[in-house]
Amino acid sequence: EADIYQTPRYLVIGTGKKITLECSQTMGHDKMYWYQQDPGMELHLIHYSYGVNSTEKGDLSSESTVSRIRTEHFPLTLESARPSHTSQYLCASSAMMGRGDEKLFFGSGTQLSVL
Amino acid sequence: AQRVTQPEKLLSVFKGAPVELKCNYSYSGSPELFWYVQYSRQRLQLLLRHISRESIKGFTADLNKGETSFHLKKPFAQEEDSAMYYCALMGKDRDDKIIFGKGTRLHILP
Repeated sequence: EADIYQTPRYLVIGTGKKITLECSQTMGHDKMYWYQQDPGMELHLIHYSYGVNSTEKGDLSSESTVSRIRTEHFPLTLESARPSHTSQYLCASSAMMGRGDEKLFFGSGTQLSVL
Repeated sequence: AQRVTQPEKLLSVFKGAPVELKCNYSYSGSPELFWYVQYSRQRLQLLLRHISRESIKGFTADLNKGETSFHLKKPFAQEEDSAMYYCALMGKDRDDKIIFGKGTRLHILP
């Protein structure tokens, strides 16, 4: 089924650990995004990509990094997790302009807790 | 600069009363405007977009270019409308990204 998948759903980890949050979509979308959101609060764009080998930093400074080696996959990595990284991370994708399907599809999110 | 402003952080409305969630934007050109909704324990999802001119779950939103607004309206609020609502803007250029407002929590009182 065409969808956008995020794993894990919940992650509790100790300070200093390296983590990777996975995001995959099966809709063939070129654009993918990572947002950081505390529950019921505003969304902060931290990374985005318009295609393979294209990544840009968003509006909110983040110590995380991303990669886009395949169209469907957009993982986010934290080299050394800290308690300040505790938040919900939302992945989203959308089609490029002109395809008539310009809306964001969001994943279920990963709730990260760093102890 | 591109900006989306939602002036109300929280809006409480009695069931059956009209609802209006405000959204103002700043963009040099003709953007696409959206409303996204996040119900409790559900994914953030598109509610409606201005180019579709549709009514979803009784909600409508009219783009007012003169006032640069895109307010979300519903004539009679229902309890299931309680959620977080985000106004969003996307430019027409290929590399434009979607910008969200800070969101308004709508609380429907019984």
